[in-house]
This record gives sequence, structure tokens and C-alpha cells, in this order.
Amino acid sequence: NAGVTQTPKFRILKIGQSMTLQCAQDMNHNYMYWYRQDPGMGLKLIYYSVGAGITDKGEVPNGYNVSRSTTEDFPLRLELAAPSQTSVYFCASSPKGGSAINQPQHFGDGTRLSIL
Amino acid sequence: DQQVKQNSPSLSVQEGRISILNCDYTNSMFDYFLWYKKYPAEGPTFLISISSIKDKNEDGRFTVFLNKSAKHLSLHIVPSQPGDSAVYFCAASSPGANSKLTFGKGITLSVRP
Repeated sequence: NAGVTQTPKFRILKIGQSMTLQCAQDMNHNYMYWYRQDPGMGLKLIYYSVGAGITDKGEVPNGYNVSRSTTEDFPLRLELAAPSQTSVYFCASSPKGGSAINQPQHFGDGTRLSIL
Repeated sequence: DQQVKQNSPSLSVQEGRISILNCDYTNSMFDYFLWYKKYPAEGPTFLISISSIKDKNEDGRFTVFLNKSAKHLSLHIVPSQPGDSAVYFCAASSPGANSKLTFGKGITLSVRP
């Protein structure tokens, strides 16, 4: 029962490098989300997707890009890494969005990213 | 502007006693509230939720109370167990199929044996 799988678990980048954080879910969920969590803070939504081919910006999208070519995968791309992007990144999925009762978001275990 | 506030960063309780975790919100459009639990090096896991049409929801040792007039909700854990030691996030969403969750900063609960 894999659920939401994120890779890698840890990564150190140099300023200006690029990388892709991978996220895959095997629950056939339509909705997928990327969050970042900074120390002592709650989760901030970066991007989300309501289905394959459809993505939209969240609260803190600057410096990131996403794509959703399949239902299962929702990669997050950092093009020019900056120290402000040092954070823990969580991917989540849900069958429905918003206030759908008893359809909570399922989270992966996160990717801890440091940019030096 | 923080729309979901968890003003106490930490709480310590004795095993077997009640844990009460509080959450306040400012957006009167929120109609669905959730609590997530997070262990170190893991992702948040869903714990319990409540719709704004209710004022209480129970699931085993966990009960969530909602006071809409005060824009306040609380999570009660009775009895508390050492395995409940974790960070607890309160989250809220407003109506709409594509509305998003707004999270609080979290409360670190420590249950002492």
C-alpha cells in the first residue's frame, strides 16, 4: 500500500542549480498538491492540480513549476535554486478537493531540501 | 495574514490525562476543519474532521469541538498516550470544489509516561 511516494528524501543543492522533486500516487486520486513547510510554520501551498493536464498556482508559486501529464505523477521543478527555497516539501493527493467530507488529503513523507 | 492560528506552540501532558489543543480562525467562509498529526520525518496524516453544520465529532479517543460564533475549534484526546506525542496541525477550507486547505503553524504535543 504505497499511497503517496516522494523522491528523493534529502537533497543539497548549490545556488542556481535546478532539480525536480518527484511525486507519485497509486490511489487514482484526481487532486494533487505541493506544499512547503518552513521551520515553525504551517504548510504553504505551492501548486495544485485537479487532474491530468490541469495545474494552478497556490499561495507561494514563485520559483517553481509543475506539470501533470498523468494521473499518478506530479513533479515539482526548481529552475534556479535560491537559499529561500530551503524547506521541507510535501506532496499530497485527494480524490476530491475543497470541502469534500471524508475525502482528506494523503501526504507523502516529504523531501528535505537545502540550498547552499 | 494568518487565517488559521494555533497560538500555543507546545503542550505537555501526563499519560492518561486529557490533551486539549486549540485552534482559532479568522475567515468566516471556512466551513470544513481538519486535524492532522505529524511525526518527525513523516508526512502529516489525517486524524479527524468536522463540518460547520456540526459542533462536535468523535472518533475513539479523539473529539473535535467547533464553536462557530467564537471561530474556535479544539481537539480533545482522552486518555492521552505517549504515542500521541507529535505535531498537530489544524487546517480549514471554504466551500467550493477547488478550495484549498489553510494550515496553522502546528502544536507540539508531548505526553509524559
